[in-house]
Amino acid sequence: GAVVSQHPSWVICKSGTSVKIECRSLDFQATTMFWYRQFPKQSLMLMATSNEGSKATYEQGVEKDKFLINHASLTLSTLTVTSAHPEDSSFYICSARFASSYEQYFGPGTRLTVT
Amino acid sequence: GQQVMQIPQYQHVQEGEDFTTYCNSSTTLSNIQWYKQRPGGHPVFLIQLVKSGEVKKQKRLTFQFGEAKKNSSLHITATQTTDVGTYFCAAPPTGNQFYFGTGTSLTVIP
Repeated sequence: GAVVSQHPSWVICKSGTSVKIECRSLDFQATTMFWYRQFPKQSLMLMATSNEGSKATYEQGVEKDKFLINHASLTLSTLTVTSAHPEDSSFYICSARFASSYEQYFGPGTRLTVT
Repeated sequence: GQQVMQIPQYQHVQEGEDFTTYCNSSTTLSNIQWYKQRPGGHPVFLIQLVKSGEVKKQKRLTFQFGEAKKNSSLHITATQTTDVGTYFCAAPPTGNQFYFGTGTSLTVIP
């Protein structure tokens, strides 16, 4: 089956610093990637949708200057949390789909803790 | 974004009992997907329903899409401990985006 990886799996950073999270489709070309945020025991909140080679589409309430998304190739999308604050601490999950599929393949997630 | 509500939020069942989770939308959906997330894991795709009134089965799991395409259900017959996890429905009101339901957390007591 299609495999999506995320790196790092967890990260601890200091308030004010930036953190980059990578999402890779390992065995398929992902035309669309999604970034979600999940708080403990809660649902996944869609943050943004990115298509390869174009700007990401952000959901209402998500600051695009704070959560920078780059989908530079068909196998890689990155999410950079800029000037992180403790309230940004969360579980960030990406998913990917290829053009002929409606199924989303999820990465294992990245646990971000901002101190 | 889209509001997709699920009930119940939590469900504890004795192993062998049946389980059902319901997903409701205020708007008509083009299709609906179901995912399962094990504790500590990531969501895994289960199925997609597209047609009004559609019913699909996967072993002990039965998925239904309402006639009005505003609701859906997932029914598990004779639950097993491997069924533990949170079940989410997800719906795309427009375009590519999928909005996840609030989820139902299933605990199976051996």
